[in-house]
Amino acid sequence: AQRVTQPEKLLSVFKGAPVELKCNYSYSGSPELFWYVQYSRQRLQLLLRHISRESIKGFTADLNKGETSFHLKKPFAQEEDSAMYYCALHLEYGNKLVFGAGTILRVKS
Amino acid sequence: EPEVTQTPSHQVTQMGQEVILRCVPISNHLYFYWYRQILGQKVEFLVSFYNNEISEKSEIFDDQFSVERPDGSNFTLKIRSTKLEDSAMYFCASSESTSGQYTGELFFGEGSRLTVL
Repeated sequence: AQRVTQPEKLLSVFKGAPVELKCNYSYSGSPELFWYVQYSRQRLQLLLRHISRESIKGFTADLNKGETSFHLKKPFAQEEDSAMYYCALHLEYGNKLVFGAGTILRVKS
Repeated sequence: EPEVTQTPSHQVTQMGQEVILRCVPISNHLYFYWYRQILGQKVEFLVSFYNNEISEKSEIFDDQFSVERPDGSNFTLKIRSTKLEDSAMYFCASSESTSGQYTGELFFGEGSRLTVL
């Protein structure tokens, strides 16, 4: 069965420190993965998708099919990065996203 | 920039009552979704809607739930005979298809918080 696992409920780092939010998936099809972010009092929004291989707000994520992972990384955290981050897997059948449980990132000054 | 809008932002209802949550998706989008997030839990898929019919639904989406697109703009979720465990944040989302291919980006509304007493 398809599943997205985000093992950390909360990740707390100091400003300027590197950040890695972990995401692992389980899917028998061809994986298409995304990171969504929800800032305080804002709606859930797309941060980045693996197929575009882009860096958004300094964040990058590489799909590792061997390890079935899609970890989100940023070399130097900023206070405005504090938010809830969700890893999501797109399922071809049904055109839907399956979300992980989410990780709260707290960046302290 | 166009946004998905949802009403009401918060609804309190008595157990057993019917509730309708409303959504206005982005106007040129083709796919519509409802997701649910019970407090402290993950965002769960409920149903997807395409071409005026349900394309996929989860196990949660039983006979108690229904969706409708009554006109060209609204997309509603009806919950009949509400139960305490239906208390959650309900998110509507829409997405577009470009060049016949699904891009994967969902645009979410701000959510409707349902409290069942």
